[in-house]
Amino acid sequence: GAGVSQSPRYKVAKRGQDVALRCDPISGHVSLFWYQQALGQGPEFLTYFQNEAQLDKSGLPSDRFFAERPEGSVSTLKIQRTQQEDSAVYLCASSLYRGEYTEAFFGQGTRLTVV
Amino acid sequence: GENVGLHLPTLSVQEGDNSIINCAYSNSASDYFIWYKQESGKGPQFIIDIRSNMDKRQGQRVTVLLNKTVKHLSLQIAATQPGDSAVYFCAEAPQDSNYQLIWGAGTKLIIKP
Repeated sequence: GAGVSQSPRYKVAKRGQDVALRCDPISGHVSLFWYQQALGQGPEFLTYFQNEAQLDKSGLPSDRFFAERPEGSVSTLKIQRTQQEDSAVYLCASSLYRGEYTEAFFGQGTRLTVV
Repeated sequence: GENVGLHLPTLSVQEGDNSIINCAYSNSASDYFIWYKQESGKGPQFIIDIRSNMDKRQGQRVTVLLNKTVKHLSLQIAATQPGDSAVYFCAEAPQDSNYQLIWGAGTKLIIKP
């Protein structure tokens, strides 16, 4: 497709379950970002990839959160032992250039609900 | 769809009128600012940006004003249309990062017919 694609669109997980959220960036885009957006708030930075290298993971809330982009294209955000406070929309964005957020395109997000 | 605007400040504007959305940013060292638009169920979309060496920048129907003295940013939308209904976020970029953004809480804009 032409834009950033995220799947699943919605995910309901029982507390303690592991989840994996997928992001298909725009083909050829170097930079990939993950954000967490709680209801009624702005997105919060989680992590940043430049190709396959994870250059910054300072925004990941705990060691239960793990992100990878092994071939520099598709990225997966994994959350282990989900908790209710993990409920949020997880946004992925990609950019053709290194760290150029002005050129970043966002996906529609995955809404995670932990029950 | 997603109910991003459930607890957000809301601005209601008559269709065709101009709207002004305000934002107070936090870091006096930030040197770059962006306005994003987020429609229900979609990811944020870039609208317009401004660097700290400017105090005004204009785009198509939108103008961003920056007041560094009081750390205030505003987005003016001229002749609002139904498609302008969305949540608007300002974001600031710290000087020492070229990829991390600090986002504001957002304002929900409602266009009345």
